[in-house]
Formats: sequence, structure tokens, C-alpha cells
Amino acid sequence: GAVVSQHPSWVICKSGTSVKIECRSLDFQATTMFWYRQFPKQSLMLMATSNEGSKATYEQGVEKDKFLINHASLTLSTLTVTSAHPEDSSFYICSAPTASGIYEQYFGPGTRLTVT
Amino acid sequence: GENVEQHPSTLSVQEGDSAVIKCTYSDSASNYFPWYKQELGKGPQLIIDIRSNVGEKKDQRIAVTLNKTAKHFSLHITETQPEDSAVYFCAASSNTGKLIFGQGTTLQVKP
Repeated sequence: GAVVSQHPSWVICKSGTSVKIECRSLDFQATTMFWYRQFPKQSLMLMATSNEGSKATYEQGVEKDKFLINHASLTLSTLTVTSAHPEDSSFYICSAPTASGIYEQYFGPGTRLTVT
Repeated sequence: GENVEQHPSTLSVQEGDSAVIKCTYSDSASNYFPWYKQELGKGPQLIIDIRSNVGEKKDQRIAVTLNKTAKHFSLHITETQPEDSAVYFCAASSNTGKLIFGQGTTLQVKP
């Protein structure tokens, strides 16, 4: 099946710093990617839709100035958490629809962010 | 807004028994219903999906049923094995591709 990778798999940063997470589609092109956040023992919550060549669209309640999304190419989307705080500590997961359409999506392995 | 309710939150079965997880959705425009398996510390893995023009789909020990009128869909796992133990999520989406997830079910299969 389609493969989506994320880098890094885990990261620890100090409060107030910024951290970038990469999401790559390895064997297909993705004009759209989705970013989710998952707190421990909770479900996945959609944060934003990343669109290649245009601005990302954010879900209600998600601060676009804090979570910067850049979809630089058809295989790469990045999420930058700016001025991170301990409450931003979470599991960040991206997904990408396959070439077969927007329905079937494959998820990356996730990035564990810990802000100290 | 769109909402997906999933039950039960935890499910414990003996190896070889069947497991059933149920979800309901609120958005009548939803037309795609995937199920994901998530192991600890990993991303969700698509295990089966169904579209709104189909009532049932089966893949070996896994089956999904959809009742559009009642806005219900269910995951059925037969002959459960210890390696089936994980968290399972249902989700629903419309033509936007945005997935709305259920709360998750922790399935424990006892050997």
C-alpha cells in the first residue's frame, strides 16, 4: 500500500522554541494532506488541511499563527509548532489521500512532541 | 457539527470469539466510512472501509456493515487472535476528505 513517512518520530524541545515536523508521501503525489493531533488515550482531532500551492485551511479553534503549515511540493508538507508550550505536547499525525481519490487515506507513523 | 459516536470504549474477548464495534454518524452527507487499527505509539492503519453505495464488505476475518438510513456502521472481527489487540477507530467523511473520528475502542483479546 501507499506509504507516508514522518520526521522526526519523536522530538523534545524547550518551552518557547519552535519545532518542525515533516510529512512525506513516498510513492505517490499528494496535493492534499491532513494534520491531526492526538492526546494520550484520546481520538484523533483534525487540525488542518494542507494544500499544495495554496494556504492551509484550519479547523475551528486551531491557531494558524501557532501551527504553521507549508505544502512545498506534491510529496512534502511541514507543520511548524511555534513558541511551543507544554500543553502542545502531543502525538502529531499526518495523512494523505492516495491517487485513487480523496477517500482512501494513509497515515504517517506519527511524531511524539514533548515540550519541557 | 459533524459527530461520530463509537461504542464500546473497551472490549475484552476470548481468543476465537467475535468482536463487534459500533458507530453512528450525524452528517447525512458522509459517504465514506473507514476503520483504523492503532497500536501503541504508531499511526493508524487502515483495515477496511466501505462507501455509502454498499451495505456490507468483508475481508477475511473482518467485515463492515453500513445502515445509511439509521446512520450506523459496524466492524465485525471473527475468530479473534491476540494480535488483534489494539485500539480501533471508526471514521466518517464526505467529499471533502476530512475524516471525523470516533472516540476509539480498546480491544483486548485474551489468549
